[in-house]
Amino acid sequence: QQQVKQSPQSLIVQKGGISIINCAYENTAFDYFPWYQQFPGKGPALLIAIRPDVSEKKEGRFTISFNKSAKQFSLHIMDSQPGDSATYFCAASIGDSSYKLIFGSGTRLLVRP
Amino acid sequence: DGGITQSPKYLFRKEGQNVTLSCEQNLNHDAMYWYRQDPGQGLRLIYYSQIVNDFQKGDIAEGYSVSREKKESFPLTVTSAQKNPTAFYLCASKLLGQGDGYTFGSGTRLTVV
Repeated sequence: QQQVKQSPQSLIVQKGGISIINCAYENTAFDYFPWYQQFPGKGPALLIAIRPDVSEKKEGRFTISFNKSAKQFSLHIMDSQPGDSATYFCAASIGDSSYKLIFGSGTRLLVRP
Repeated sequence: DGGITQSPKYLFRKEGQNVTLSCEQNLNHDAMYWYRQDPGQGLRLIYYSQIVNDFQKGDIAEGYSVSREKKESFPLTVTSAQKNPTAFYLCASKLLGQGDGYTFGSGTRLTVV
């Protein structure tokens, strides 16, 4: 119930293409869904986040789509660039005061020039 | 600049030794967290603390210990009881009650030699 399942494990996209990473969860108490971007040897950095009261959130080339009934959410990277090559993690908070984040297993994205 | 500082960046431990990883933040965040990252497994929660002198076990606390004597500091000790300590360790902090996600440090890579 506490898991967040992320796919695919790795993704190769051509420059200018769309990168799509998917996550699914079971616990309906989750109420905060962030995406993190991590470059090698660095800590993850918050990219974009969404709450269940909206179905989509867009920030620049990054969009989160949220499907509450299906318990799924996804990250879309439009016009993917080589600089977007990184590992991406979805996460969910368990809805209590501890604000613990449960992370997906990560997707390694490679954008070819 | 406000942020989280983890030190050292690289750490080597001999079998049977305890080692302590440092995490300091000047963001005035209430909560602090320790995660372990292994290839292909995402981030797993070791310990977390919401207030000074109080902390809770995460999913993989065995073989680890923490203290929270000051709001800005949350050191992690990897004890000799941790059977497979080689990993990338990440510290994070969060301002409770806010919608923002975690702020992560840049990590410590621990290797057992």
